[in-house]
Amino acid sequence: QQQVKQSPQSLIVQKGGISIINCAYENTAFDYFPWYQQFPGKGPALLIAIRPDVSEKKEGRFTISFNKSAKQFSLHIMDSQPGDSATYFCAASKGDSSYKLIFGSGTRLLVRP
Amino acid sequence: KAGVTQTPRYLIKTRGQQVTLSCSPISGHRSVSWYQQTPGQGLQFLFEYFSETQRNKGNFPGRFSGRQFSNSRSEMNVSTLELGDSALYLCASRPGATYNEQFFGPGTRLTVL
Repeated sequence: QQQVKQSPQSLIVQKGGISIINCAYENTAFDYFPWYQQFPGKGPALLIAIRPDVSEKKEGRFTISFNKSAKQFSLHIMDSQPGDSATYFCAASKGDSSYKLIFGSGTRLLVRP
Repeated sequence: KAGVTQTPRYLIKTRGQQVTLSCSPISGHRSVSWYQQTPGQGLQFLFEYFSETQRNKGNFPGRFSGRQFSNSRSEMNVSTLELGDSALYLCASRPGATYNEQFFGPGTRLTVL
């Protein structure tokens, strides 16, 4: 019940295309859903996050779509660029006394020029 | 503001040794969490400290321990190193008790030979 399942494992997109990464969770107590971007040799960087009371959040080219009833959320990267090539992790946490992040397994994105 | 800093960045140890890793959170942040990242298990929560107190602990053996100092800097210690402890150890800081956003450092790459 603590797992967050992420798909696909890897993704290849042409420059200018839309990259879509999906995550699903079981624990309905989760109330915070961030996405992190990680480049080789670097730590994960917070990209965008959403709470369950909102169905969509957009920041620049990055959009989170959230479906509370289906317990799913996804990251859309519009106009994908080669510089977006990285590994993306979804995560979830619950805001009780623990803010520990439960991470998905990651998606390796390659954007071809 | 400077980001989360971790030292050392790279470390090579042999089985049976112990190691101490250090993390300095973003200035003003009082919560520090530690995560282990491996290709096989992904990103896993180790523990969190807030105001020098351990608030939560992940599912790791007692060989993994940590502490936080009054200036919010944190250290984690791994005793009796095993080959499977080879990983990227990441530190993340949060502003305070009720903030979800966690900001990661670059990590310490530990190799156990």
